[in-house]
Amino acid sequence: EPEVTQTPSHQVTQMGQEVILRCVPISNHLYFYWYRQILGQKVEFLVSFYNNEISEKSEIFDDQFSVERPDGSNFTLKIRSTKLEDSAMYFCASSVQGLGSPLHFGNGTRLTVT
Amino acid sequence: KNEVEQSPQNLTAQEGEFITINCSYSVGISALHWLQQHPGGGIVSLFMLSSGKKKHGRLIATINIQEKHSSLHITASHPRDSAVYICAARGGGSNYKLTFGKGTLLTVNP
Repeated sequence: EPEVTQTPSHQVTQMGQEVILRCVPISNHLYFYWYRQILGQKVEFLVSFYNNEISEKSEIFDDQFSVERPDGSNFTLKIRSTKLEDSAMYFCASSVQGLGSPLHFGNGTRLTVT
Repeated sequence: KNEVEQSPQNLTAQEGEFITINCSYSVGISALHWLQQHPGGGIVSLFMLSSGKKKHGRLIATINIQEKHSSLHITASHPRDSAVYICAARGGGSNYKLTFGKGTLLTVNP
C-alpha cells in the first residue's frame, strides 16, 4: 500500500539554525499538510497546501516557517531560525481530495532543538 | 473556535472487553476523524465520518451531529489495540484545518 514517507526520522539542531523536514506524499494525492505535536500535547495543525500554494495556515505558522513542493514529489517544511520551543514531532499528511477524504500520515520527524 | 474534548483520558481494559471512547466538540463541523497513534508516534487514520455510523472490522464509529458527539467503539478488544486514540474535527468554516482532541490512552491487558 502506498505510504507517506518522512525524512529524517530524527533531527537534532542547534537553536538559530535552519532545518528542512522532508516528506514524500502519496503520488496521486493533491492536498498536503504539516502538523506538529509537542511532547505530551495535542497534535496541532500548521499548514495545508494545494495547487502549489498555501490554502490555510494556523497562527503557529509564522514567518519562520515555509513550505515548498520543489519537484512535484517532495513536500518540505523549512524552519528558518529554530527555537527551543520548536522541538516537537512533525507529521506530514496527504489526501486525495482535501479533508473530504481520509488523511494518510507519515511516521513523523522528531525535531530536537538544543 | 472549535474545542474538541475526549473522554476518558486513560482507559485500561482486559482482553475481550467492549471499549467506548467519547469525543465532543463545541461548534458545528463538517467531518470528524478518528485516528490511532502507536507508541512509536506514527498516526493512522481509522475513520472519517460526517453522519451516522461506520464499521471496520472490530471498530465502530458513530456521530450525532445534533448532540455534537462522536464515539469510537472497539469490540472484543485485544492487546494490539493498545494505543492513543484521537478524534479530530473539521469545521468552523475551514476546509483544511483539523482541531484535535488530547487523545485517549487505551491499554488492553491480556
